[in-house]
Amino acid sequence: GQQLNQSPQSMFIQEGEDVSMNCTSSSIFNTWLWYKQDPGEGPVLLIALYKAGELTSNGRLTAQFGTTRKDSFLNISASIPSDVGIYFCAGPRTGYNNDMRFGAGTRLTVKP
Amino acid sequence: DSGVTQTPKHLITATGQRVTLRCSPRSGDLSVYWYQQSLDQGLQFLIQYYNGEERAKGNILERFSAQQFPDLHSELNLSSLELGDSALYFCASSEEGDTTGGYTFGSGTRLTVV
Repeated sequence: GQQLNQSPQSMFIQEGEDVSMNCTSSSIFNTWLWYKQDPGEGPVLLIALYKAGELTSNGRLTAQFGTTRKDSFLNISASIPSDVGIYFCAGPRTGYNNDMRFGAGTRLTVKP
Repeated sequence: DSGVTQTPKHLITATGQRVTLRCSPRSGDLSVYWYQQSLDQGLQFLIQYYNGEERAKGNILERFSAQQFPDLHSELNLSSLELGDSALYFCASSEEGDTTGGYTFGSGTRLTVV
């Protein structure tokens, strides 16, 4: 239960394009987190969302906590080559704050 | 540098062997989490320790064990290794015992079993 489904699995875009990816679940989450993993490194927290409907930005990144609490979206504007990596959504299983669930990730490739 | 230190960075060993992976959490963090990342499985939660005690267990095999020491560093022991255990093993830490604030990952240990 409380699986996180990310889409798309991978994206190949041109530098300068905007990117959208999303994460859905059949269960409600009270917190949504977005991480980025660079090749050969550990995931790094990009944005944390705590309230349904919340929209939060971090530079060119914008994430939203879906109003149903069952989804979240991450947008990257004007992509650059260093945006390459794997983007994970994550959230603690409701009622079990120690159990962080991760999506399978969206692998982003940016062509210069 | 995230502040979470994992050693070694790379490990190559034979099937049937036993290895120990080490993690030092970020200064001030009491919780340590271990994750396994393989190509087709994504990030799988293995186990969490909080201030020296086991707090939560995920999909950790019986051949694997972990502990957190009084100085808060943690070790993940993998024994009777199989080819399928080849993966990246990440340690993460957080200040509190829960994960709602997100946590900080180390750079990982890449384990190759041959």
